[in-house]
Amino acid sequence: SQQGEEDPQALSIQEGENATMNCSYKTSINNLQWYRQNSGRGLVHLILIRSNEREKHSGRLRVTLDTSKKSSSLLITASRAADTASYFCATDAGNKLVFGAGTILRVKS
Amino acid sequence: GAGVSQTPSNKVTEKGKYVELRCDPISGHTALYWYRQSLGQGPEFLIYFQGTGAADDSGLPNDRFFAVRPEGSVSTLKIQRTERGDSAVYLCASSLSGTGEKLFFGSGTQLSVL
Repeated sequence: SQQGEEDPQALSIQEGENATMNCSYKTSINNLQWYRQNSGRGLVHLILIRSNEREKHSGRLRVTLDTSKKSSSLLITASRAADTASYFCATDAGNKLVFGAGTILRVKS
Repeated sequence: GAGVSQTPSNKVTEKGKYVELRCDPISGHTALYWYRQSLGQGPEFLIYFQGTGAADDSGLPNDRFFAVRPEGSVSTLKIQRTERGDSAVYLCASSLSGTGEKLFFGSGTQLSVL
């Protein structure tokens, strides 16, 4: 079963624009993570935000977490064509990470 | 090695056959995970090892699926009597000590059951 649900399912933007992806989940979590996947193969970890944190930054990435609404958002600023990929949120609620279905981001140059 | 290694990268088999998929995690990582990903979906959890033991195998879909990690490093996912519905990318990941940490993923094995 997949706890996280990303929104939108797909997003197409121009290079230089910002991209925002949202994630909602159902149960209490210890932390929430965002991953990126190119070409349907290995995932790469982007950022981890703990349940007692509200916002975190890493380079052009900004993640927010609202535990009262059980939601998180990933903002990519000044997007580049190389940011084209699938992005997944994953919730850590015990022994495993549970992934959502992902958002497909396409950045047009 | 520098990262998580999975072999083979692609496996084509016939319905009913037995397959083994191998994962070599990052050296020193005690936690190892297997996930399965179908086209257009997110990774689906299968099993989690802490050292040599399976700490959580709740994601294994049925008794045709089995995984081992006898020496606490390399793991093998074994699928008996394969079915066409088993076709997917099988992903392995490792982390230093387990829950609450980021995962390092391998490139996956694309399994195709004809």
